Amino acid sequence: EPEVTQTPSHQVTQMGQEVILRCVPISNHLYFYWYRQILGQKVEFLVSFYNNEISEKSEIFDDQFSVERPDGSNFTLKIRSTKLEDSAMYFCASSEASSGGNRETQYFGPGTRLLVL
Amino acid sequence: AQTVTQSQPEMSVQEAETVTLSCTYDTSESDYYLFWYKQPPSRQMILVIRQEAYKQQNATENRFSVNFQKAAKSFSLKISDSQLGDAAMYFCAYRSARGGAGNMLTFGGGTRLMVKP
Repeated sequence: EPEVTQTPSHQVTQMGQEVILRCVPISNHLYFYWYRQILGQKVEFLVSFYNNEISEKSEIFDDQFSVERPDGSNFTLKIRSTKLEDSAMYFCASSEASSGGNRETQYFGPGTRLLVL
Repeated sequence: AQTVTQSQPEMSVQEAETVTLSCTYDTSESDYYLFWYKQPPSRQMILVIRQEAYKQQNATENRFSVNFQKAAKSFSLKISDSQLGDAAMYFCAYRSARGGAGNMLTFGGGTRLMVKP
């Protein structure tokens, strides 16, 4: 069964460094998402992406964050200058469509655990 | 804005017994989707079950079923014949069905389910 994959599974970085989190969505999916989960807290939406542009973003997704689909398979989240409070689990998700029954269900990757020291 | 509330931070069930996890939500929309996701200790988000708001029939997936009460804005998850592998965090999530790209998921705070052998 197709699945969303994410790399790396764990990332440790120093405050102020740039990190790039990578995701490979399910191949026929057109909508991509990033969520994050700070330890012990609820999962929070960061951004959605469709047709090579951001569709929607939350207040968390400030100028330090950017997303890109550099090729036909990868979807990346970049944090330009990491802060301690960026430490969290970052989940990538994808869906086939944005509406229409099962086609809009979002499937999640296994997450990247980011630790900022 | 939509909100999702899970009032039970922790629940416990004996193996082979039945347990119900509660979820309420607040929305002014009439068409939307509701989901239950499972997050085991690995922290991967796994889709358990989904429900379309326009469907009166409650969704079922093997041992998992929901009680969807649209007027009450309630969406509970029933797990029958609980197994040790069901032990996890369970998140209720809401998604608008409005047209356009990038409809995000709004998550509740989660319920930690423990299964006793």
